[in-house]
Amino acid sequence: AQSVSQHNHHVILSEAASLELGCNYSYGGTVNLFWYVQYPGQHLQLLLKYFSGDPLVKGIKGFEAEFIKSKFSFNLRKPSVQWSDTAEYFCAVTERGGSQGNLIFGKGTKLSVKP
Amino acid sequence: NAGVTQTPKFQVLKTGQSMTLQCAQDMNHNSMYWYRQDPGMGLRLIYYSASEGTTDKGEVPNGYNVSRLNKREFSLRLESAAPSQTSVYFCASSMHSGGAETQYFGPGTRLLVL
Repeated sequence: AQSVSQHNHHVILSEAASLELGCNYSYGGTVNLFWYVQYPGQHLQLLLKYFSGDPLVKGIKGFEAEFIKSKFSFNLRKPSVQWSDTAEYFCAVTERGGSQGNLIFGKGTKLSVKP
Repeated sequence: NAGVTQTPKFQVLKTGQSMTLQCAQDMNHNSMYWYRQDPGMGLRLIYYSASEGTTDKGEVPNGYNVSRLNKREFSLRLESAAPSQTSVYFCASSMHSGGAETQYFGPGTRLLVL
């Protein structure tokens, strides 16, 4: 069965610090990869996604992620965080071509950015 | 264009009571999903509907039933609520159920079962 691991439960950074959130998945086949963000009290929003092509994916608000197939990883990065990036971040995977299409989520990483 | 809407926003139930969570989308999507979110657990799929007229179990279906009323609406029913069902419930939709589709989420229903 597919699973997604997010290494950090809670990350605390100061504004302007660089961010990297780890995500690893376990699945032997081809996958689609997503990062969602949940701001306090709000619903999940898509940050970025990878289906195929360039493994470096750019999303909204200056976020990017790199798919490294050999490491089964899809880490999220941002060069300089802002206080408004305080949120919970979820990595998710679906099986490419799967009939269900349901997202398998990691447990999430809470990011707190100190002003 | 409201996207995905859910009602109610918040509900308190006593053990054994029943209730239905409503979800509607106005994006003409074919597929709809119900997830629950628990602290430290991420989101887990309860049920999904790949298209109007079909429903299937997800990872944690026990204690729930669903109805795909029409293309727009997908409801989740708790027949006899239990404290273990205290959670935040999210509905989502996507154009199709294939793995390449982006899912769009509603604002959530926070449920407390006493």
